[in-house]
Amino acid sequence: QVQLVESGGGLVKPGGSLRLSCAASGITFGDYFMNWIRQAPGKGLEWVAYISSSGEATFYADSVKGRFTMSRDNAKSSLSLEMNSLRAEDTAVYYCAGGRAADGASDIWGQGTMVTVSS
Amino acid sequence: DIQMTQSPSSLSASVGDRVTITCRASQYISNYLNWYQQKPGKAPKLLISAASNLQSGVPSRFSGSESGTEFILTISSLQPEDFATYYCQQTYSTPFFGQGTKLEIK
Repeated sequence: QVQLVESGGGLVKPGGSLRLSCAASGITFGDYFMNWIRQAPGKGLEWVAYISSSGEATFYADSVKGRFTMSRDNAKSSLSLEMNSLRAEDTAVYYCAGGRAADGASDIWGQGTMVTVSS
Repeated sequence: DIQMTQSPSSLSASVGDRVTITCRASQYISNYLNWYQQKPGKAPKLLISAASNLQSGVPSRFSGSESGTEFILTISSLQPEDFATYYCQQTYSTPFFGQGTKLEIK
């Protein structure tokens, strides 16, 4: 069945770095654009980053631009988010999510991985 | 950035009620508006894409409509499993979510 599984979350100190991964199965991964979307504790959803199906195009929210880097390996059906210079406000559950339709909607989601930035 | 203003932020209703949730875009987004449902501790689930396109497997009591820059999610007859938080999302430009509407049992 279709599955996205995130990993790599954990506790990190302010200013530190973390790399999140998302492994896809049950789909032709290279057909999907992908997003990272986060949710701070008790808060709403915030889009973080986007990568096109080929990996040629990436876009980032202003809040993470210059600090986060998204990449993908279609041969390995994997997605990653390199997070540097982490701040307390980056504390959240991070979801990978993707879709194929031109409308940009994400119809597949992982279960999320928690990132906590605290000293 | 195109902002999305979602209302109400919370809503109390009873099983069988008809409810509507509204999302207003700060500028033109065509029909690039999606609706998601999220239950506590779970990932969001796509309900409706492109303003009115019901996803496969989603009950027909859910519907979406648009009028200019205003978008409406309607649940025609609330069921117990519908109590959740709902988010709109525009994908016309840099994706942006509305603030969410928490639908609670009255």
